[in-house]
Amino acid sequence: DSGVTQTPKHLITATGQRVTLRCSPRSGDLSVYWYQQSLDQGLQFLIQYYNGEERAKGNILERFSAQQFPDLHSELNLSSLELGDSALYFCASSVEGTNSYNEQFFGPGTRLTVL
Amino acid sequence: AQSVTQLGSHVSVSEGALVLLRCNYSSSVPPYLFWYVQYPNQGLQLLLKYTSAATLVKGINGFEAEFKKSETSFHLTKPSAHMSDAAEYFCAVSDRDGSEKLVFGKGTKLTVNP
Repeated sequence: DSGVTQTPKHLITATGQRVTLRCSPRSGDLSVYWYQQSLDQGLQFLIQYYNGEERAKGNILERFSAQQFPDLHSELNLSSLELGDSALYFCASSVEGTNSYNEQFFGPGTRLTVL
Repeated sequence: AQSVTQLGSHVSVSEGALVLLRCNYSSSVPPYLFWYVQYPNQGLQLLLKYTSAATLVKGINGFEAEFKKSETSFHLTKPSAHMSDAAEYFCAVSDRDGSEKLVFGKGTKLTVNP
């Protein structure tokens, strides 16, 4: 158990819909990362938040957005869903967001299926 | 942009045999390098990381990796495979630019045969 929690574990929805994925980082970790794992794209970095502020952005679609709240939990919002958004979405956390060598602790993931 | 290449999407070994999973990175400046393992239906767990302290890095579960700058490689090895090592392994890099984003390879699925 990494200490990172993600809800829900599974999500099945239809094209065009909007969903929210939730992540609670390890106690004391200030930085949260979101990654998408799909069969064709592999594991891709989406976005990083550090202590409530956006720190880095990766290959995140404009239909996707994220935020980190004062209690440090984070939410990833996916809208106008398409079939290709079906994937495993991971949240990870680390102690801080300024050193590239910090270990990131991964949650169990949310499996999103868009029908 | 940083990239990571993992040679072999599937590797199969016998129990007790040597495990060798290959990883090459592309960067003129050696990045930080990581190996993560993903067991079925689970998240990723860090096996080991290279941050320039030593070129031979020992990790958990008997795994180790050697950083070779001249070959831009960071291959993962384990002298004797165990059935419990069956999983998917990911090599990842992180730039030394303060950004902590990880760039992952495509992964190598390890099968251990009895």
